[in-house]
Amino acid sequence: DAGVIQSPRHEVTEMGQEVTLRCKPISGHNSLFWYRQTMMRGLELLIYFNNNVPIDDSGMPEDRFSAKMPNASFSTLKIQPSEPRDSAVYFCASSLDWSSYGYTFGSGTRLTVV
Amino acid sequence: DQQVKQNSPSLSVQEGRISILNCDYTNSMFDYFLWYKKYPAEGPTFLISISSIKDKNEDGRFTVFLNKSAKHLSLHIVPSQPGDSAVYFCAATYGGATNKLIFGTGTLLAVQP
Repeated sequence: DAGVIQSPRHEVTEMGQEVTLRCKPISGHNSLFWYRQTMMRGLELLIYFNNNVPIDDSGMPEDRFSAKMPNASFSTLKIQPSEPRDSAVYFCASSLDWSSYGYTFGSGTRLTVV
Repeated sequence: DQQVKQNSPSLSVQEGRISILNCDYTNSMFDYFLWYKKYPAEGPTFLISISSIKDKNEDGRFTVFLNKSAKHLSLHIVPSQPGDSAVYFCAATYGGATNKLIFGTGTLLAVQP
């Protein structure tokens, strides 16, 4: 089991550019979560999916953020346009189903917007 | 609005002594609580959990205590080891048709040899 795979590990981009973060959940896991880690707010839930359907996107900070899950094995988080305040570590996590609290997290993507 | 709060950003203890990490929550609907541990450059990993019907859960060196009236939980690590040095996140959720976890800001534990 390769675990939850995120790419890229690091991303440095200029303000105004589009950024796309990618996630491959564990095979067979039906819930997928995107979190953002900052010093001030800790791990902040952005959006989560059950069976590829977005269930709660109330944590998405602005319209500049969007997330998709076109199939059970792939999800993207897009920021367009990016701003320096978006700099953070973004984590993807998956769990077996809606009743499971045992998340498996990926290693994260460290995003720096300059 | 931070529903799960970890007011101590960092904690330093000596090897062999007890580490106590604290967490407070504001939402009385929360009924399940978890602790995750995070090493640098890695994602958080599940450590231990507790249901609101209990006030204590133990797993080896790790014990979580829940005080529902005070909306407070704590993680005790006894004895602390240098390998326990990490960021610890408290998380909470409420039942029903969701497994959404609300995390705190984390506490960095440093165990000194």
